Amino acid sequence: VLTQSPATLSLSPGERATLSCRASQSVTSNYLAWFQQKPGQAPRLLMYRTSNRATGIPDRFTGSGSGTEFTLTISGLDPEDVAVYYCHQAGTSPRTFGQGTRVEIK
Amino acid sequence: QITLKESGPTLVSPTETLTVTCSLSGFSLSTPKVGVGWVRQPPGKALEWLGLIYWDDDKRYSPSLKSRLTITKGPSESQVVLTLTNVDPADTGTYYCAHTEGSVSYVPDVWGPGISVSVSS
Repeated sequence: VLTQSPATLSLSPGERATLSCRASQSVTSNYLAWFQQKPGQAPRLLMYRTSNRATGIPDRFTGSGSGTEFTLTISGLDPEDVAVYYCHQAGTSPRTFGQGTRVEIK
Repeated sequence: QITLKESGPTLVSPTETLTVTCSLSGFSLSTPKVGVGWVRQPPGKALEWLGLIYWDDDKRYSPSLKSRLTITKGPSESQVVLTLTNVDPADTGTYYCAHTEGSVSYVPDVWGPGISVSVSS
């Protein structure tokens, strides 16, 4: 089970957003990914294997962590970052998603 | 350029079988280390991983759906088919297929736009 916190994050433009994902057991080989989903759109891969940015993802998105604790940091929040963010573990089957963190702009 | 697109019915009656086809472009599921995964999302809720088929026809399924879910290649080389039997209103949602490969640890890296399916009588 992946538990994300907080459920909702409301910040001003330019602030740093810190999203947490906690696993109920250690994620094999740190195979933890992050997705961004904007309203009405399919999810988009941001990070894979904890800290590797997917193609085209700006470097203000940073992933970190290991074992059971993982973090996605968005440095310098931009209005285009308004979305729901999901963590996803791909280390063991069945793969699972967290319940999501909604990021809003004040 | 890799693209995927889901197609199928938008309304299915309870107890019937849902079949969704994923059409692939820009890659082949015959290429080693490539896969196609399926994810669904009930209205207003979180993503749910359904299953994955690999280039070598190996498959993985969500245990909660394993008895009702089948993922297969075909009928053409550029298609993958998801079949869910005995559907229930709880199966209502948007169904996504996605490309994956070993270089990204087999997580979905390119997604189709999704197809919205409603299970209702």
